[in-house]
Amino acid sequence: QKEVEQNSGPLSVPEGAIASLNCTYSDRVSQSFFWYRQYSGKSPELIMSIYSNGDKEDGRFTAQLNKASQYVSLLIRDSQPSDSATYLCAVAGGTSYGKLTFGQGTILTVHP
Amino acid sequence: DAGITQSPRHKVTETGTPVTLRCHQTENHRYMYWYRQDPGHGLRLIHYSYGVKDTDKGEVSDGYSVSRSKTEDFLLTLESATSSQTSVYFCAITDPGLARGNEQFFGPGTRLTVL
Repeated sequence: QKEVEQNSGPLSVPEGAIASLNCTYSDRVSQSFFWYRQYSGKSPELIMSIYSNGDKEDGRFTAQLNKASQYVSLLIRDSQPSDSATYLCAVAGGTSYGKLTFGQGTILTVHP
Repeated sequence: DAGITQSPRHKVTETGTPVTLRCHQTENHRYMYWYRQDPGHGLRLIHYSYGVKDTDKGEVSDGYSVSRSKTEDFLLTLESATSSQTSVYFCAITDPGLARGNEQFFGPGTRLTVL
């Protein structure tokens, strides 16, 4: 059974701070890693994908991947109240069709 | 939104009745997926399709069937709805030509309540 675990929330940070979201996965053959943002009552929105060890930056978002430790994280710099949402970690294995296994999500609240 | 629509967006039904949810996409994407989302469980894959008439089961397929007779439509049927199938259902697509193939994009969702 492939498992994806996210740090339990909710996570609350002040505006302007760095929010750190963490995710571990059990399947060592996993190849692709994604972070989705989901606002309440809305569908998940892809914000980051990462495929190689190291960091990937996109604006205020940085994804970090360590395959040896089976760990992927998302950093949000200069957090804004509009970043308040549930963040979902998703992992795809080495098989075809891109089936994703999701973590349970971490609720982030950014307070002014 | 990757050209994905879901219908209906909300539905209330009674235990034991059949229900069909529709996912429609306009951009000829090859792979389509049905997920359900429940508190504390994240998103869980129900069924997926890798082409017309090509479908397979996900991790929570019991009580559900799917059909894909056209590229653009992927139907999810609850053969006899139960209260445990009360959930929010999301359709998703991916395509090797869209991104790196594994990136999935979601439709707006259907909120289903089974009384």
